[in-house]
Amino acid sequence: DQQVKQNSPSLSVQEGRISILNCDYTNSMFDYFLWYKKYPAEGPTFLISISSIKDKNEDGRFTVFLNKSAKHLSLHIVPSQPGDSAVYFCAAFTFSGSARQLTFGSGTQLTVLP
Amino acid sequence: DVKVTQSSRYLVKRTGEKVFLECVQDMDHENMFWYRQDPGLGLRLIYFSYDVKMKEKGDIPEGYSVSREKKERFSLILESASTNQTSMYLCASSPWTSGGTSTDTQYFGPGTRLTVL
Repeated sequence: DQQVKQNSPSLSVQEGRISILNCDYTNSMFDYFLWYKKYPAEGPTFLISISSIKDKNEDGRFTVFLNKSAKHLSLHIVPSQPGDSAVYFCAAFTFSGSARQLTFGSGTQLTVLP
Repeated sequence: DVKVTQSSRYLVKRTGEKVFLECVQDMDHENMFWYRQDPGLGLRLIYFSYDVKMKEKGDIPEGYSVSREKKERFSLILESASTNQTSMYLCASSPWTSGGTSTDTQYFGPGTRLTVL
């Protein structure tokens, strides 16, 4: 059973518009959430994160929103650029006692059309 | 900049062969991780290690083992490769923290695309 779910496998957006990527989770023990971006033939790279004590974190064109009561987070990219085309993974942390473990969603392929 | 390197970008092996995937990080990180990435399933944790000679099972350890003899190196071993182990394998490392900060970020290598025939 997937604890972190990204229900949209793909999303297409026009350049300059807003991209909204969504993520739902089921485990209330998750205390920290991250978004990673992955280009083909490269490893994922960290994009932005949010602690469970916050509801919003902003970094330039990227904003992550967290709704704890709904167990939902979203990544907003505005304005979207063609270079943003990549697979975006939502991930959540728990601390298992020996190391913090990440649980990943299945990813959303974002395509930004010029 | 953190650098995580993996020994091969592409690997083709036959069923039953023993396969070694090597990962090296240069940032003195305590934690190292092995994931596999499959379409529609995202990244799934196979094993991780929080110290030299220490290892813990992730979500899908069956058919795999690991070795961490030095802090900078974490090896994934497929004792007898099978076709269902054809996948993209990703190694990651992270520093130990008390939790709740962006330094918990895991840094990934470029991945090894393994095909088992």
